Amino acid sequence: KNEVEQSPQNLTAQEGEFITINCSYSVGISALHWLQQHPGGGIVSLFMLSSGKKKHGRLIATINIQEKHSSLHITASHPRDSAVYICAVQALSNFGNEKLTFGTGTRLTIIP
Amino acid sequence: DAGVTQSPTHLIKTRGQHVTLRCSPISGHKSVSWYQQVLGQGPQFIFQYYEKEERGRGNFPDRFSARQFPNYSSELNVNALLLGDSALYLCASSLEPSRQGMYEQYFGPGTRLTVT
Repeated sequence: KNEVEQSPQNLTAQEGEFITINCSYSVGISALHWLQQHPGGGIVSLFMLSSGKKKHGRLIATINIQEKHSSLHITASHPRDSAVYICAVQALSNFGNEKLTFGTGTRLTIIP
Repeated sequence: DAGVTQSPTHLIKTRGQHVTLRCSPISGHKSVSWYQQVLGQGPQFIFQYYEKEERGRGNFPDRFSARQFPNYSSELNVNALLLGDSALYLCASSLEPSRQGMYEQYFGPGTRLTVT
């Protein structure tokens, strides 16, 4: 079993829909990252969080440390949101180095 | 300010050859991490260097090595290339950790390596 599991693996939605991507992890963490990867490979960091909730524009990330679960929400989705969204964790066992353990990603496609 | 830069962008090598990939971190960032992303999978951690010292190593064979230079740029070297080394190699830099051990990492565009 992977240390970081994401669901769904693929998600197709209509423009304007509310999107939720889930991430579960099995280790103690110091931080959880949500990343966006577009075709071609470049990765952009969306959020880094260790508790609670963060919001940036139409994106919201939440984390429940007790349940070892995080969600990424996109409100009023747009075709330009189409990308792979990746959850990654910094495990407490790796304190002192920056090793990120990644999920396999959720491929999001927003249809106009 | 320039972001993390990597070179080359694309590279084609033959099995058994050696390859060197390069990464320049964001100005002021002292830490560089390397990741391998095989098609269809999430990235896998290879190395982290901070202040020119190795801070972490992933589960990769000794054919993989890296170093960090005084200007904090970094090289990833892979010897005796195998077909399975074909992947996108990502470099990420960060300034320094927070007190809670959280690192904001900034990723480069990657080098796509194809081994034939």
